[in-house]
Amino acid sequence: DTAVSQTPKYLVTQMGNDKSIKCEQNLGHDTMYWYKQDSKKFLKIMFSYNNKELIINETVPNRFSPKSPDKAHLNLHINSLELGDSAVYFCASSLVGQQETQYFGPGTRLLVL
Amino acid sequence: AQKVTQAQTEISVVEKEDVTLDCVYETRDTTYYLFWYKQPPSGELVFLIRRNSFDEQNEISGRYSWNFQKSTSSFNFTITASQVVDSAVYFCALSEADYKLSFGAGTTVTVRA
Repeated sequence: DTAVSQTPKYLVTQMGNDKSIKCEQNLGHDTMYWYKQDSKKFLKIMFSYNNKELIINETVPNRFSPKSPDKAHLNLHINSLELGDSAVYFCASSLVGQQETQYFGPGTRLLVL
Repeated sequence: AQKVTQAQTEISVVEKEDVTLDCVYETRDTTYYLFWYKQPPSGELVFLIRRNSFDEQNEISGRYSWNFQKSTSSFNFTITASQVVDSAVYFCALSEADYKLSFGAGTTVTVRA
């Protein structure tokens, strides 16, 4: 059973389009995250939700909007995609309060043409 | 300012050689956690180890070992008798009171047969 899953695994789209990436975890964790890994492999946190509540919101363009329908899901919607949005997006989950280990999904490779 | 520094960008070794990856971190928190993650060519992020700031005991897990030294703010990782399957990008990360994972830039390890 996959602990943290993301769909789709690959996403190729045109500039200006709107797209969503879905994330689900079956670990019973209460906190979920989105990270962006750029072309130089640098990983940076974007958002974090704890029990459906936004707790971390880094300096991310408003075009990026996370949505957490329940604590097992955290989706990422991106409006008006730009070339610079091309990256690998990783979802992660953990139990907050104890700085527990964050477990990562397999990543979604987004390419904006 | 970069909170986690991995000075080695790339390391190339021949199989069965030992390889040590350096990680230096910076924090003002007294309670924090340090992590190592592995990213193989397939792209997923695999958790390897977590250490808390109060536990400086070194750890060994099979061919992997970790040396945590608060006095030098370092958390180095050694792979003993490296194998081709160890070829990957290795990330050191720091979690402070805000639960965000701050990643180093990663070290690419190539093990040649």
